[in-house]
Amino acid sequence: ETGVTQSPTHLIKTRGQQVTLRCSSQSGHNTVSWYQQALGQGPQFIFQYYREEENGRGNFPPRFSGLQFPNYSSELNVNALELDDSALYLCASSLFPRTGPTYEQYFGPGTRLTVT
Amino acid sequence: DAKTTQPNSMESNEEEPVHLPCNHSTISGTDYIHWYRQLPSQGPEYVIHGLTSNVNNRMASLAIAEDRKSSTLILHRATLRDAAVYYCILRDSNAGGTSYGKLTFGQGTILTVHP
Repeated sequence: ETGVTQSPTHLIKTRGQQVTLRCSSQSGHNTVSWYQQALGQGPQFIFQYYREEENGRGNFPPRFSGLQFPNYSSELNVNALELDDSALYLCASSLFPRTGPTYEQYFGPGTRLTVT
Repeated sequence: DAKTTQPNSMESNEEEPVHLPCNHSTISGTDYIHWYRQLPSQGPEYVIHGLTSNVNNRMASLAIAEDRKSSTLILHRATLRDAAVYYCILRDSNAGGTSYGKLTFGQGTILTVHP
């Protein structure tokens, strides 16, 4: 059973550009969530995808968007990059509906995005 | 989301027990208490969860106060690999749909383990 993987590991972009980050969920998981983690802070929920549709969003503007594919891989797209978008971006996968009370999320190692 | 409060940092010596506290005075009856930890340069990982009774697993133990307004994560013998940020998170057991994939992280407790 493979874990959650993310690519690339690191990325440097210029303000105003667009970026796409990729995530491969754990085998069998149908829900993916994306988080932004600024330096020294806890992760902040961006949105979640279930059955290829966004069905939950945190306090992030529409320039943050995503896709989930039939094979449960997913992308996070950020348009018009700002300096404050510099952060670690984490994806997490889980199985909904849960088969037990645990419903823990499995996180990938993250993509470090630097916007200059 | 119900809020949790944790100390910013704690220190421990290797092979000694560590008790990481968490206050959650506004917890509701359907909230589970979850703990995650984040090792350096990694994503968070699930540690343990509980509702009312104390819980044990291979990683840690979770002690929950009788009024459920606080809990303590116990690492029985800290190792250098346990140095991480520990997050205490409340999850509504009725969460579904749009809230299913959402974890609300606070600042967490930075645990330093000395050799």
